[in-house]
Amino acid sequence: DIQMTQSPSSLSASVGDRVTITCRTSQSISSYLNWYQQKPGKAPKFLIYAASYLQSGVPSRFSGSGSGTDFTLTISNLQPEDFATYYCQQTYSDITFGPGTRVDIK
Amino acid sequence: QLQLQESGPGLVKPSETLSLTCTVSGGSIASSSYYWAWIRQPPGKGLEWIATIFYSGSTYYNPSLKSRVTISTDTSKSQFSLKLRSVTAADTAVYYCATTVYPHWYFDLWGRGTLVTVSS
Repeated sequence: DIQMTQSPSSLSASVGDRVTITCRTSQSISSYLNWYQQKPGKAPKFLIYAASYLQSGVPSRFSGSGSGTDFTLTISNLQPEDFATYYCQQTYSDITFGPGTRVDIK
Repeated sequence: QLQLQESGPGLVKPSETLSLTCTVSGGSIASSSYYWAWIRQPPGKGLEWIATIFYSGSTYYNPSLKSRVTISTDTSKSQFSLKLRSVTAADTAVYYCATTVYPHWYFDLWGRGTLVTVSS
Protein backbone atom coordinates (compact mmCIF):
# COMPACT_ATOMS: atom_id res chain seq x y z
CA ASP A 1 0.00 0.00 0.00
CA ILE A 2 1.13 3.55 -0.69
CA GLN A 3 1.05 5.62 2.48
CA MET A 4 0.37 9.32 2.31
CA THR A 5 1.13 12.16 4.67
CA GLN A 6 0.23 15.82 4.54
CA SER A 7 1.84 18.65 6.41
CA PRO A 8 0.88 20.61 8.24
CA SER A 9 -2.29 18.95 9.46
CA SER A 10 -3.72 22.40 10.04
CA LEU A 11 -2.65 26.00 9.66
CA SER A 12 -3.97 29.44 10.37
CA ALA A 13 -3.55 32.13 7.77
CA SER A 14 -4.82 35.57 6.84
CA VAL A 15 -6.47 36.81 3.69
CA GLY A 16 -3.74 37.70 1.22
CA ASP A 17 -1.24 35.19 2.60
CA ARG A 18 0.63 32.63 0.53
CA VAL A 19 -0.03 29.11 1.80
CA THR A 20 1.88 25.94 0.98
CA ILE A 21 0.68 22.43 1.78
CA THR A 22 2.95 19.42 1.36
CA CYS A 23 1.93 15.88 0.43
CA ARG A 24 4.39 13.00 0.65
CA THR A 25 3.99 9.40 -0.49
CA SER A 26 5.76 6.30 0.78
CA GLN A 27 6.96 5.39 -2.71
CA SER A 28 7.32 7.13 -6.03
CA ILE A 29 4.04 7.82 -7.80
CA SER A 30 5.43 9.79 -10.74
CA SER A 31 2.87 12.59 -11.20
CA TYR A 32 -0.26 10.62 -10.31
CA LEU A 33 -1.27 13.12 -7.66
CA ASN A 34 -4.46 15.16 -7.48
CA TRP A 35 -5.72 17.83 -5.08
CA TYR A 36 -9.18 18.60 -3.68
CA GLN A 37 -10.76 21.29 -1.55
CA GLN A 38 -13.58 20.49 0.87
CA LYS A 39 -15.72 22.87 2.87
CA PRO A 40 -17.80 21.72 5.87
CA GLY A 41 -20.92 19.81 4.88
CA LYS A 42 -20.01 19.85 1.20
CA ALA A 43 -18.62 17.38 -1.29
CA PRO A 44 -14.96 17.79 -2.20
CA LYS A 45 -14.13 20.03 -5.14
CA PHE A 46 -11.51 18.89 -7.63
CA LEU A 47 -8.67 21.39 -8.07
CA ILE A 48 -5.54 19.97 -9.65
CA TYR A 49 -4.62 16.77 -11.53
CA ALA A 50 -1.33 15.20 -12.49
CA ALA A 51 0.39 17.22 -9.79
CA SER A 52 0.33 20.54 -11.58
CA TYR A 53 -2.57 20.86 -14.02
CA LEU A 54 -5.33 23.19 -12.92
CA GLN A 55 -8.88 21.99 -13.47
CA SER A 56 -10.93 24.29 -15.67
CA GLY A 57 -12.57 27.05 -13.67
CA VAL A 58 -10.20 26.83 -10.70
CA PRO A 59 -8.64 30.21 -9.88
CA SER A 60 -5.04 30.66 -10.96
CA ARG A 61 -3.97 31.48 -7.39
CA PHE A 62 -3.98 27.70 -6.89
CA SER A 63 -0.93 25.85 -8.16
CA GLY A 64 0.62 22.45 -7.72
CA SER A 65 4.07 21.04 -8.18
CA GLY A 66 6.18 17.99 -7.53
CA SER A 67 6.80 14.48 -8.74
CA GLY A 68 8.02 11.22 -7.31
CA THR A 69 7.23 11.34 -3.60
CA ASP A 70 7.03 15.04 -2.74
CA PHE A 71 4.26 17.38 -3.84
CA THR A 72 3.02 20.83 -2.92
CA LEU A 73 -0.20 22.77 -3.25
CA THR A 74 0.28 26.53 -3.10
CA ILE A 75 -2.43 29.11 -2.68
CA SER A 76 -1.16 32.58 -3.38
CA ASN A 77 -3.14 35.59 -2.17
CA LEU A 78 -5.47 33.55 0.06
CA GLN A 79 -9.11 34.55 -0.31
CA PRO A 80 -11.96 34.17 2.22
CA GLU A 81 -13.49 31.36 0.18
CA ASP A 82 -10.26 29.36 0.35
CA PHE A 83 -10.62 28.51 4.02
CA ALA A 84 -11.29 24.79 3.84
CA THR A 85 -9.67 21.37 4.16
CA TYR A 86 -7.38 20.23 1.35
CA TYR A 87 -6.73 16.61 0.41
CA CYS A 88 -4.15 15.07 -1.88
CA GLN A 89 -4.94 11.83 -3.70
CA GLN A 90 -2.62 9.31 -5.34
CA THR A 91 -3.80 7.20 -8.24
CA TYR A 92 -0.57 5.41 -9.13
CA SER A 93 -1.51 2.23 -7.29
CA ASP A 94 -5.14 1.84 -6.34
CA ILE A 95 -6.49 5.14 -4.98
CA THR A 96 -5.75 6.67 -1.61
CA PHE A 97 -6.19 10.11 -0.10
CA GLY A 98 -3.97 12.00 2.25
CA PRO A 99 -5.29 12.79 5.74
CA GLY A 100 -6.07 16.39 4.89
CA THR A 101 -4.84 19.87 5.82
CA ARG A 102 -7.23 22.30 7.39
CA VAL A 103 -6.73 25.96 6.52
CA ASP A 104 -8.52 28.34 8.84
CA ILE A 105 -8.58 32.02 9.56
CA LYS A 106 -5.92 33.51 11.78
CA GLN B 1 -24.83 19.44 -17.48
CA LEU B 2 -23.99 16.16 -15.81
CA GLN B 3 -25.35 15.74 -12.29
CA LEU B 4 -25.16 12.92 -9.77
CA GLN B 5 -27.56 12.15 -6.93
CA GLU B 6 -27.12 9.50 -4.27
CA SER B 7 -30.10 7.71 -2.74
CA GLY B 8 -30.70 4.93 -0.26
CA PRO B 9 -31.49 4.16 3.38
CA GLY B 10 -29.96 6.45 5.95
CA LEU B 11 -29.91 3.76 8.61
CA VAL B 12 -28.65 0.19 8.29
CA LYS B 13 -28.42 -2.44 11.00
CA PRO B 14 -25.10 -4.10 11.85
CA SER B 15 -24.35 -7.25 9.82
CA GLU B 16 -26.81 -6.20 7.11
CA THR B 17 -26.11 -4.93 3.58
CA LEU B 18 -25.82 -1.26 2.76
CA SER B 19 -27.31 -0.49 -0.66
CA LEU B 20 -26.97 2.86 -2.41
CA THR B 21 -27.83 4.13 -5.87
CA CYS B 22 -26.43 7.03 -7.82
CA THR B 23 -28.66 8.50 -10.50
CA VAL B 24 -26.92 10.22 -13.39
CA SER B 25 -28.73 13.04 -15.16
CA GLY B 26 -27.72 15.40 -17.95
CA GLY B 27 -25.61 12.77 -19.65
CA SER B 28 -25.26 9.10 -20.45
CA ILE B 29 -23.91 6.54 -18.02
CA ALA B 30 -22.82 4.64 -21.12
CA SER B 31 -20.45 7.42 -22.05
CA SER B 32 -16.91 6.38 -22.91
CA SER B 33 -15.68 9.58 -21.27
CA TYR B 34 -16.33 8.58 -17.70
CA TYR B 35 -15.90 5.91 -15.17
CA TRP B 36 -18.20 5.96 -12.13
CA ALA B 37 -17.09 5.73 -8.52
CA TRP B 38 -18.06 5.59 -4.88
CA ILE B 39 -16.11 7.34 -2.12
CA ARG B 40 -16.95 7.60 1.57
CA GLN B 41 -16.06 9.84 4.48
CA PRO B 42 -16.70 8.88 8.13
CA PRO B 43 -17.89 11.81 10.24
CA GLY B 44 -14.97 14.12 10.99
CA LYS B 45 -12.50 11.96 9.09
CA GLY B 46 -10.87 11.74 5.68
CA LEU B 47 -11.86 10.34 2.32
CA GLU B 48 -11.76 6.68 1.31
CA TRP B 49 -12.19 5.39 -2.24
CA ILE B 50 -14.49 2.36 -2.37
CA ALA B 51 -14.92 1.24 -5.98
CA THR B 52 -15.02 2.29 -9.64
CA ILE B 53 -16.90 0.90 -12.64
CA PHE B 54 -17.02 1.46 -16.39
CA TYR B 55 -20.35 1.04 -18.14
CA SER B 56 -18.98 -1.97 -20.01
CA GLY B 57 -18.62 -3.78 -16.69
CA SER B 58 -14.97 -3.32 -15.79
CA THR B 59 -14.69 -2.93 -12.04
CA TYR B 60 -11.99 -1.78 -9.62
CA TYR B 61 -12.15 -2.17 -5.86
CA ASN B 62 -10.31 -0.87 -2.81
CA PRO B 63 -8.42 -3.96 -1.63
CA SER B 64 -9.39 -3.28 1.98
CA LEU B 65 -13.10 -3.45 1.11
CA LYS B 66 -13.12 -5.75 -1.90
CA SER B 67 -14.43 -8.81 -0.07
CA ARG B 68 -17.58 -6.95 1.01
CA VAL B 69 -18.30 -4.63 -1.93
CA THR B 70 -20.11 -4.90 -5.25
CA ILE B 71 -20.47 -2.03 -7.71
CA SER B 72 -22.79 -2.30 -10.71
CA THR B 73 -24.50 -0.24 -13.38
CA ASP B 74 -28.03 -0.16 -14.78
CA THR B 75 -27.76 1.71 -18.05
CA SER B 76 -31.52 1.51 -18.66
CA LYS B 77 -32.08 3.58 -15.52
CA SER B 78 -28.92 5.65 -15.89
CA GLN B 79 -27.85 4.50 -12.43
CA PHE B 80 -24.93 2.82 -10.75
CA SER B 81 -25.09 1.14 -7.39
CA LEU B 82 -23.07 0.11 -4.37
CA LYS B 83 -23.63 -2.85 -2.08
CA LEU B 84 -21.55 -3.20 1.08
CA ARG B 85 -22.15 -6.39 3.00
CA SER B 86 -21.79 -7.24 6.69
CA VAL B 87 -21.64 -3.62 7.81
CA THR B 88 -20.44 -2.46 11.22
CA ALA B 89 -20.41 0.91 12.96
CA ALA B 90 -17.09 1.58 11.20
CA ASP B 91 -19.02 1.80 7.92
CA THR B 92 -20.97 4.83 9.16
CA ALA B 93 -20.06 7.60 6.73
CA VAL B 94 -21.18 10.05 4.13
CA TYR B 95 -21.17 8.15 0.86
CA TYR B 96 -20.46 10.06 -2.33
CA CYS B 97 -20.82 9.02 -5.94
CA ALA B 98 -18.55 10.68 -8.47
CA THR B 99 -17.27 10.62 -12.02
CA THR B 100 -13.68 9.66 -12.61
CA VAL B 101 -11.51 10.14 -15.65
CA TYR B 102 -8.84 7.84 -17.08
CA PRO B 103 -5.83 7.85 -16.86
CA HIS B 104 -5.34 10.09 -13.87
CA TRP B 105 -8.42 8.80 -12.05
CA TYR B 106 -9.33 12.10 -10.48
CA PHE B 107 -12.90 12.58 -9.25
CA ASP B 108 -14.06 15.64 -11.12
CA LEU B 109 -17.80 15.69 -10.45
CA TRP B 110 -19.37 14.67 -7.14
CA GLY B 111 -22.85 14.09 -5.82
CA ARG B 112 -23.90 15.87 -2.65
CA GLY B 113 -23.40 12.76 -0.57
CA THR B 114 -25.69 10.77 1.67
CA LEU B 115 -25.11 9.92 5.32
CA VAL B 116 -25.49 6.26 6.18
CA THR B 117 -25.50 5.32 9.84
CA VAL B 118 -24.94 1.74 10.94
CA SER B 119 -26.79 1.17 14.19
CA SER B 120 -29.26 -1.24 15.71
